Amino acid sequence: DTGVSQNPRHKITKRGQNVTFRCDPISEHNRLYWYRQTLGQGPEFLTYFQNEAQLEKSRLLSDRFSAERPKGSFSTLEIQRTEQGDSAMYLCASSVDWSPRGDEQFFGPGTRLTVL
Amino acid sequence: AQSVSQHNHHVILSEAASLELGCNYSYGGTVNLFWYVQYPGQHLQLLLKYFSGDPLVKGIKGFEAEFIKSKFSFNLRKPSVQWSDTAEYFCAVKGIAGGTSYGKLTFGQGTILTVHP
Repeated sequence: DTGVSQNPRHKITKRGQNVTFRCDPISEHNRLYWYRQTLGQGPEFLTYFQNEAQLEKSRLLSDRFSAERPKGSFSTLEIQRTEQGDSAMYLCASSVDWSPRGDEQFFGPGTRLTVL
Repeated sequence: AQSVSQHNHHVILSEAASLELGCNYSYGGTVNLFWYVQYPGQHLQLLLKYFSGDPLVKGIKGFEAEFIKSKFSFNLRKPSVQWSDTAEYFCAVKGIAGGTSYGKLTFGQGTILTVHP
């Protein structure tokens, strides 16, 4: 399978614990995105990497959230001191932009986080 | 800032009925526009996209969308729906500035389509 993969698919944690999610993009894709989706809403942008550089972060990404893409391949999203409001589906997407305008993002299956 | 509004939260149709899902966006410059679909239990998949050129774009499974710049709209259409089109549909916009893509997609809240056989 050459699509975007995410692990774990489900995570249940207690409030205050730290969690880390992993995203493996499509192999030749240099761009990687994280989104968060809550029930009844569309995905909301969190952050974006081009290769290993984090180029944009949403105001939604509080100090408790950190994302890395150390070698320009896979990425991790860590949430520290989780809160119940962090419960959501965390989506990863990747794309390759061979032209200055426009690219198509391919989404992974997501990691569903439940904070008790 | 970009924003997207989808007019209907839930649409219920019978098979063979025609479909139109509304999408309006807010952005002061050039945009790329997308419709994504999420079938039950599956992840988001691209249905169709508009980058430039012909404002009428055709996607997979008989779907099409028309970009009307003056109305800031990108409505999704299908002449005859099937039961297998039951899914959630998301409109998304990406703002373009200075000839480069800014990366992030801004999604609407989604429209759930239920098609009865």
